[in-house]
Amino acid sequence: QVQLVQSGAEVKKPGSSVKVSCKASGGTFSSYPISWVRQAPGQGFEWMGGIIPIFGRAHYAQKFQGRVTITADESTSTAYMELSSLTSEDTALYYCARGDAGTELDYWGQGTLVTVSS
Amino acid sequence: EIVLTQSPGTLSLSPGERATLSCRASQSVTNNYLAWYRQTPGQAPRLLIYGASTRATGIPARFSGSGSGTDFTLTISRLEPEDFAVYYCQQYGHSPTFGQGTKLEI
Repeated sequence: QVQLVQSGAEVKKPGSSVKVSCKASGGTFSSYPISWVRQAPGQGFEWMGGIIPIFGRAHYAQKFQGRVTITADESTSTAYMELSSLTSEDTALYYCARGDAGTELDYWGQGTLVTVSS
Repeated sequence: EIVLTQSPGTLSLSPGERATLSCRASQSVTNNYLAWYRQTPGQAPRLLIYGASTRATGIPARFSGSGSGTDFTLTISRLEPEDFAVYYCQQYGHSPTFGQGTKLEI
């Protein structure tokens, strides 16, 4: 059974960066894709980007290009999402999920709340 | 970007009734890469249907998906109490996008 466990809630100042982690257990981490999806309060979902750890190359939604970096560490079965130049509009629940373009999101992390406030 | 429009926004039904949820895409969905998720308050979404019509592991037979191209439907044949939640469709082609959700309420 695949489990994805994310890091804890963060409070950040406008203009700063945040890095969220997603540790996987079960399955073969290196060969399955991981996506990052966010959900603003009371809103729907936005796919931010994804990575297949064994290939190491991430791809991103156009909206987040240049501001988001997704990486993966095969040695610890952990994926990361770093978002820079934060504004209040980035306040949201951030989820990692197994899947990407071409595959459904079949397992999800518990979500990490990122609050951007001065 | 493919825009997904879900209808209705809110659906009011009772346990035991049949629910029909719609998802319309602004252009044809690649390979019918269309999924449905259910989200209850405070929880992560749960995958119900993928490939437009295939039930995910552990999903009961009362959930069914249909459609192709630009028009897709999720049907719940007999509503159970845990089915009252928000449902989202997602296309997972080149650049995945989600619908805005349908709230299923008692």
